Amino acid sequence: DTGVSQNPRHKITKRGQNVTFRCDPISEHNRLYWYRQTLGQGPEFLTYFQNEAQLEKSRLLSDRFSAERPKGSFSTLEIQRTEQGDSAMYLCASSLGTRNTFGSGTRLTVV
Amino acid sequence: AQSVSQHNHHVILSEAASLELGCNYSYGGTVNLFWYVQYPGQHLQLLLKYFSGDPLVKGIKGFEAEFIKSKFSFNLRKPSVQWSDTAEYFCAVGNGGFKTIFGAGTRLFVKA
Repeated sequence: DTGVSQNPRHKITKRGQNVTFRCDPISEHNRLYWYRQTLGQGPEFLTYFQNEAQLEKSRLLSDRFSAERPKGSFSTLEIQRTEQGDSAMYLCASSLGTRNTFGSGTRLTVV
Repeated sequence: AQSVSQHNHHVILSEAASLELGCNYSYGGTVNLFWYVQYPGQHLQLLLKYFSGDPLVKGIKGFEAEFIKSKFSFNLRKPSVQWSDTAEYFCAVGNGGFKTIFGAGTRLFVKA
C-alpha cells in the first residue's frame, strides 16, 4: 500500500494523559500536513512540514500540541495533558505538489 | 478572514435526481479550489480541482464543478446521482501553497 498510513486508528485515553500519533506519508512526498476534524465540521489545518522543517502552525495548536518530522519522512503529533475537547479525528496528508493525499486518520477519544 | 461556506449541511435525493452542492469562499489572491468526498468509513478523496484555465472542471464519477470568480463560488454538480454517491462532500480552497481551508461539509444521502 503506497498511501498515507496513520497509526493507531483509534486511541482512547484518560484526561490528563499524553498521546502520540504517527503518520507515514507517501515516500516521495516532501510536504506533510496535520488536520483535525470534529463531528459536523470539515478538517481544520493544524500544521505543515516541508521536508523536516515545520513551516506553519495554526493557532489551534496550543502549547500542549507538538509535531515533529525528524528526518523528513514520518511525522509524529503529540498531545500532552489531553482534555476532553481534544477528542477528534486527527488527519495526516502528504503532497508533492498541490494535491493532498489523506490518510484514514486517528480517532482520539478522551474520557 | 479566509473561509469556505457550504450552503447545505444535509441533502437527500432519490436516484437519478440531479445534484448541485453550493460552495462560496472568501480568500485573497490566487485560489486553488477543490472538492473532496468521504464515503462512509473511508478517508478523504479528491473529486476534482481547479487551478486555472477552463472554469468548468470535470472530475471522477461524473462530477463537475464550475468556478465563477465574480460570485466567489465553486458549485459541485452531477446530472444523475446514484445510491453509491451517498457520502460527505467537502469544498476546500488553497492558495497553491501548503494551507487548505475546508468547508463544514455536506452530507448527501441518495435513496435507492
